Amino acid sequence: QQPVQSPQAVILREGEDAVINCSSSKALYSVHWYRQKHGEAPVFLMILLKGGEQKGHDKISASFNEKKQQSSLYLTASQLSYSGTYFCSQAGAAGNKLTFGGGTRVLVKP
Amino acid sequence: DAGITQSPRYKITETGRQVTLMCHQTWSHSYMFWYRQDLGHGLRLIYYSAAADITDKGEVPDGYVVSRSKTENFPLTLESATRSQTSVYFCASRLAGDAEQYFGPGTRLTVT
Repeated sequence: QQPVQSPQAVILREGEDAVINCSSSKALYSVHWYRQKHGEAPVFLMILLKGGEQKGHDKISASFNEKKQQSSLYLTASQLSYSGTYFCSQAGAAGNKLTFGGGTRVLVKP
Repeated sequence: DAGITQSPRYKITETGRQVTLMCHQTWSHSYMFWYRQDLGHGLRLIYYSAAADITDKGEVPDGYVVSRSKTENFPLTLESATRSQTSVYFCASRLAGDAEQYFGPGTRLTVT
C-alpha cells in the first residue's frame, strides 16, 4: 500500500513556506524524499531513518515521526527552483523496495 | 562520466509485440531498479536486481521480464506489449548500503 501525500498540489509565491505531509498505514523503517521536475528524472533529496531525526537539503528540511507513521517535508523561503513534484517513499525492512506516494505538485511563482 | 543511460528514449510499438528497454550504468552500482510512472501515479517498482544474476519482483511485475548478466546492464522486456503498459519507464541504480537511487532519463513507451 502506497503512502498518502497531502496536499496534492500547492502554489506558492517566492519566499513563502509550505509543508508536504506523507503518511503510511504500514510501519515505517525509513522515508525517502525525491523531487522531479517536469520532463526530468526524479532526484534524491534526503532519507530519514527511525528516531524522529530531522534533515536538511538547502532550505528544505524534513521530519519523521515513526509513532505516527508519517513524515513531513518543509519548504522554507521557497525559491523558483523548488517547483516540481515531490514524492515520499517508504522502504521495507530490507530497504530494497521503495513504495512511492502519489506526489505533491509544487509551483513557486515570482 | 556517462552515469546511467536508457535507450531508446521514445518508443512506439503495437499490441502483442515484444519490446526491450535498455539500461546501462557506468558506476558499478550493485543495485538496479525498473519503475514505471503513469499520470496520476507515483513511481511503481517493476523489478530490481541486487547483483548480476540476482533479480526480484517489485510491485507490478506481471507482463515484464528482466535479466542481468552483467553488473552494468539491466534490460527490461515486455514479452507481449499491451496498451496498459503505455507509460514512462525509469531505470535507477544505487550502491549497496547507500540510500540514494540515481535515475536514468526515462523511456516513454506508447503501445498502440
